[in-house]
Amino acid sequence: ETGVTQTPRHLVMGMTNKKSLKCEQHLGHNAMYWYKQSAKKPLELMFVYNFKEQTENNSVPSRFSPECPNSSHLFLHLHTLQPEDSALYLCASSQDRGGGTYGYTFGSGTRLTVV
Amino acid sequence: AQSVTQPDIHITVSEGASLELRCNYSYGATPYLFWYVQSPGQGLQLLLKYFSGDTLVQGIKGFEAEFKRSQSSFNLRKPSVHWSDAAEYFCAVGYQKVTFGTGTKLQVIP
Repeated sequence: ETGVTQTPRHLVMGMTNKKSLKCEQHLGHNAMYWYKQSAKKPLELMFVYNFKEQTENNSVPSRFSPECPNSSHLFLHLHTLQPEDSALYLCASSQDRGGGTYGYTFGSGTRLTVV
Repeated sequence: AQSVTQPDIHITVSEGASLELRCNYSYGATPYLFWYVQSPGQGLQLLLKYFSGDTLVQGIKGFEAEFKRSQSSFNLRKPSVHWSDAAEYFCAVGYQKVTFGTGTKLQVIP
């Protein structure tokens, strides 16, 4: 399978639940990202991993916990979320950190609804 | 600080008509510029990018964009729109850090 694959595609969770989002890329890229996409807002960069090391955390609340066990896999662990966390969570990868040379390859996203 | 402005939130065009989506940016150096497209329920797909050289850039799906430094613009164009082009389009700028615009939603009517 090529490209960036995200699972699950849809997730409904209660505020007390714990769940995880998964992202996988088979492109040989070195950098991976989590973005949050909310209606009428620009994409918000959450976390950046380069060669599986976290290089950026954009003041994301601790209820979001990323994990990057290797350069091909990225997880976002969720716990005690709030309704305002409902959004489309996009994973992306790029050849190099920043994505400025070749651009990003995005997954299809996980539509998260917090009830 | 770098920024991107897409002044049109929503645009409607007739199938077969030409299209231009506007993008203005603010960036401290020679910009790296991108256009992405997002179909409903999907992630973003890279349409084209500009780093240097020819200011008219060709992309996938028949799209092109023109970089105009004097106007700080990077507008996306297509000569003849197809119904399948209905989607949301995002302009982005940056290299180590990429900033996205808020998007322009394109509706195509028969």
